[in-house]
Amino acid sequence: QKEVEQNSGPLSVPEGAIASLNCTYSDRVSQSFFWYRQYSGKSPELIMSIYSNGDKEDGRFTAQLNKASQYVSLLIRDSQPSDSATYLCAVNIPGFQKLVFGTGTRLLVSP
Amino acid sequence: DAGITQSPRYKITETGRQVTLMCHQTWSHSYMFWYRQDLGHGLRLIYYSAAADITDKGEVPDGYVVSRSKTENFPLTLESATRSQTSVYFCASSEDSNSPLHFGNGTRLTVT
Repeated sequence: QKEVEQNSGPLSVPEGAIASLNCTYSDRVSQSFFWYRQYSGKSPELIMSIYSNGDKEDGRFTAQLNKASQYVSLLIRDSQPSDSATYLCAVNIPGFQKLVFGTGTRLLVSP
Repeated sequence: DAGITQSPRYKITETGRQVTLMCHQTWSHSYMFWYRQDLGHGLRLIYYSAAADITDKGEVPDGYVVSRSKTENFPLTLESATRSQTSVYFCASSEDSNSPLHFGNGTRLTVT
């Protein structure tokens, strides 16, 4: 089982809709969770961090963490074509001092 | 400007040659990382460093060498480049092991 799993997509949503991106992880003691956005040919850019169970909102983005079920999700409200990118989930591995990344979900927002 | 910079942005080299990719950060972050990104594999950790003079292997370290004599620099050397090392290489830094990573712009390396 991979340490961090994401559906590769593409996930296609119309402009204005809510995009829901999901990520599951295998290490129960992970404490830090991050969502990165990566445009084609660019480097990953941090968009959300979440450390405790529940929801965390930042503008149009909401990160949701459920440690009991070992999943973290990212909701993008009012999706825009400029949100079209690959979204990477990253989870820290305690004791190993590193983040493990999922392979990413490609999001396509159509006008 | 503060940040993390990688050089060169693009590099073409021949099989068997030694290549060094540079990474410099101005935040004084303790942790620095080298990842490679390939289609179908996502980001894979090559090496990381928790502080100056402390380095450790990641997921795919074979064929690579790193050093960290100063906190701000973390060069990655391919001792004898192979075609399988054609990839996009990202350097990243973080304040501590629980903090998010901040990435450089990447180096696209082609080994012919």
